[in-house]
Amino acid sequence: DAKTTQPTSMDCAEGRAANLPCNHSTISGNEYVYWYRQIHSQGPQYIIHGLKNNETNEMASLIITEDRKSSTLILPHATLRDTAVYYCIVRVADAGGTSYGKLTFGQGTILTVHP
Amino acid sequence: SAVISQKPSRDICQRGTSLTIQCQVDSQVTMMFWYRQQPGQSLTLIATANQGSEATYESGFVIDKFPISRPNLTFSTLTVSNMSPEDSSIYLCSVEKGSGNYGYTFGSGTRLTVV
Repeated sequence: DAKTTQPTSMDCAEGRAANLPCNHSTISGNEYVYWYRQIHSQGPQYIIHGLKNNETNEMASLIITEDRKSSTLILPHATLRDTAVYYCIVRVADAGGTSYGKLTFGQGTILTVHP
Repeated sequence: SAVISQKPSRDICQRGTSLTIQCQVDSQVTMMFWYRQQPGQSLTLIATANQGSEATYESGFVIDKFPISRPNLTFSTLTVSNMSPEDSSIYLCSVEKGSGNYGYTFGSGTRLTVV
């Protein structure tokens, strides 16, 4: 899996958009970008994934640059409950985006949403 | 999506003893993964457990210390043997959700304190 680099921590005001960056300059053509988050005292939770197109679901949006060397996870209206550690993970997946095998976590970004 | 029940949720154990953690999934899965999360750290994969075969351990983890059972496609156990205070961590199990469902599901974790 390609290496990713994320800022150690970020702050965001409640109700504002939280934009979490991730660098993955060595990403290869068949590797997808996945985002997970871990709220305190819980197991990690899948958020979203993408290959090269921007993606949106009920939780977040994922913007991937044209060269695919970086991406941004966007929480459009952050709430206090979005305070968590956010992990960006790059890994190989099949054509449908399903990946198999072990999942490797980096240090992630600690997002703190404040009132 | 898969639902994981992990037991116990927490325990305080004496050094030198062993603790067995159980992970029950509500659907059949091929692979189950065991992670350790030391205080203030990210998740580290301990081993991958396939039904009907020996678990595959990551570098730094050995079967004598972390024996794993995988008797069927919905259940696995991780034992932390001969515990020391350094084993105080959160232990989590995880499964692939399966084709068409892109994220991995995690249990809520077992918070282990060794005294």
